[in-house]
Amino acid sequence: GAVVSQHPSRVICKSGTSVKIECRSLDFQATTMFWYRQFPKQSLMLMATSNEGSKATYEQGVEKDKFLINHASLTLSTLTVTSAHPEDSSFYICSARDSGKQYFGPGTRLTVT
Amino acid sequence: QKEVEQNSGPLSVPEGAIASLNCTYSDRGSQSFFWYRQYSGKSPELIMSIYSNGDKEDGRFTAQLNKASQYVSLLIRDSQPSDSATYLCAAWLSGGYNKLIFGAGTRLAVHP
Repeated sequence: GAVVSQHPSRVICKSGTSVKIECRSLDFQATTMFWYRQFPKQSLMLMATSNEGSKATYEQGVEKDKFLINHASLTLSTLTVTSAHPEDSSFYICSARDSGKQYFGPGTRLTVT
Repeated sequence: QKEVEQNSGPLSVPEGAIASLNCTYSDRGSQSFFWYRQYSGKSPELIMSIYSNGDKEDGRFTAQLNKASQYVSLLIRDSQPSDSATYLCAAWLSGGYNKLIFGAGTRLAVHP
């Protein structure tokens, strides 16, 4: 299947700082990428759909000014968590579709202290 | 509200047995269905996709789809302890939504 990478895999940051997470499709081009968040023992929650060359579409209840998404190329989308707080600590996973199937990156575990 | 529902489990089966995982979905317009496996602390991994009524087999896995009953299932034959994970059922919502919706997942435990 298609490969999606994410960087970094783990990040610890101080409260009030910003963190950028990169998501890349390695062997295919993705006009659309998806960002999910997952809290322990809970299911995936779709945060936003990232569209190459246009604005992201955010799910209801997700603060677009806090979670900035940029999809600058057909293989790269970034999620920036701005002014992070401890409650933003979570597992962030990106995903992309190739030939009708959706593949997930390995995830980024964010800890805000 | 478009939903995918799964029994959260845990489903416990002995090694070598068949594990049967089920899900139902609410959107009759959904045409594409997927099963993902998620190990603790890892991201989901796509293991099966199914688009037509009937069965689809891939190795030890068989996916079954019944659109009339809005029902999707996954059978795992010869279950191994390494199959112990959470299995997520997902349906692709088209028609302007263009996103996957996931069930809450069923936790499978295969004991030796």
